[in-house]
Amino acid sequence: NAGVTQTPKFQVLKTGQSMTLQCAQDMNHNSMYWYRQDPGMGLRLIYYSASEGTTDKGEVPDGYNVSRLKKQNFLLGLESAAPSQTSVYFCASSTETAYEQYFGPGTRLTVT
Amino acid sequence: AQSVTQLGSHVSVSEGALVLLRCNYSSSVPPYLFWYVQYPNQGLQLLLKYTSAATLVKGINGFEAEFKKSETSFHLTKPSAHMSDAAEYFCAVSGLSGGSYIPTFGRGTSLIVHP
Repeated sequence: NAGVTQTPKFQVLKTGQSMTLQCAQDMNHNSMYWYRQDPGMGLRLIYYSASEGTTDKGEVPDGYNVSRLKKQNFLLGLESAAPSQTSVYFCASSTETAYEQYFGPGTRLTVT
Repeated sequence: AQSVTQLGSHVSVSEGALVLLRCNYSSSVPPYLFWYVQYPNQGLQLLLKYTSAATLVKGINGFEAEFKKSETSFHLTKPSAHMSDAAEYFCAVSGLSGGSYIPTFGRGTSLIVHP
């Protein structure tokens, strides 16, 4: 099993550009999450999906959108990138939202 | 609303010394509690979890944590630190919020191990 995979691993964007971060899991988990990690801030939840086809906002959703069309995939979109979105993004999955999470290796995004 | 407070952004210990990383939580209902470890340039890995069974929870790599409801704490300990324990540690709580269990992470504690 590959677990949770994320693509790309690194990305540099110019302000105003758009992109989609991809996340896939092969553990048949119902719940998936997107976090951003910034120095001294821990992990902050951007969006989560409790099941295929449903999504909910987390703590810091502004400037992002998500899509969960298939159970194994959770996409995070940036429509118009801003320097404040420079961060490391982690995707995670779990059997249910209450239970332990399995994390991907992260995507390091820089917006100039 | 639930929250997690990790006391100390950095903890420094000597190899062989006791490791104590502190975590306090707030939650309106009995929560699920977790400790995760993050090594440089990697994602988080589960160390241990509390899900309302035994209050003393044993995890991987010799770590354990004790759930103390009266103190709303879930501190992480290891009797003897090893150089390989140097990493970032995160405490997390999944508590009921608006009908769903939503995970919340602390800001993390960086464990530094000196030879």
